[in-house]
Amino acid sequence: DAGVIQSPRHEVTEMGQEVTLRCKPISGHDYLFWYRQTMMRGLELLIYFNNNVPIDDSGMPEDRFSAKMPNASFSTLKIQPSEPRDSAVYFCASSLGPPEAFFGQGTRLTVV
Amino acid sequence: RKEVEQDPGPFNVPEGATVAFNCTYSNSASQSFFWYRQDCRKEPKLLMSVYSSGNEDGRFTAQLNRASQYISLLIRDSKLSDSATYLCVVNPMFSGGYNKLIFGAGTRLAVHP
Repeated sequence: DAGVIQSPRHEVTEMGQEVTLRCKPISGHDYLFWYRQTMMRGLELLIYFNNNVPIDDSGMPEDRFSAKMPNASFSTLKIQPSEPRDSAVYFCASSLGPPEAFFGQGTRLTVV
Repeated sequence: RKEVEQDPGPFNVPEGATVAFNCTYSNSASQSFFWYRQDCRKEPKLLMSVYSSGNEDGRFTAQLNRASQYISLLIRDSKLSDSATYLCVVNPMFSGGYNKLIFGAGTRLAVHP
């Protein structure tokens, strides 16, 4: 298995633009997580899905953020409109359950 | 108060040294605990689980103190390749099963020759 695949690896966008991050989890994993990592706040859980259903989105910072999982092999995290303070590394992870969550290589987002 | 707190470091140690990291968690109902490792500009990866009885994996020993709500990681005979950020992770495990993994901000370790 190729592991968790995220795209794009790097994204630079202007403030106000829409940004869409993509994730393909490991086949057979029924949990999918979106995390955001910054120097100031560390690794924060934004939202997670179980069997394609959002279970906990309490970490989503505000309405500008939305996430979907239309099927077991694909998820998106969208930011609209983007702001400079959204600049971070966004990780997607998938899991069968504790302890191990397998992370993708992350998307480094810069909003200028 | 953060759910999981760690000393950010950095811990700068020479090769061969023994180094220990602590982590505290706020939710006394937390059930499962882990250490992850993250190399610079890479994704986090599971290092080891932490059991109540303590567990050892080669040069690495993890321990849990439920009464004081802290977790520790001990690295013996440090290697240059141990240089990384070590993330303390808690699984709240609410009733109903698996919940989510809460990460600490990490402790940075730098091992020098």
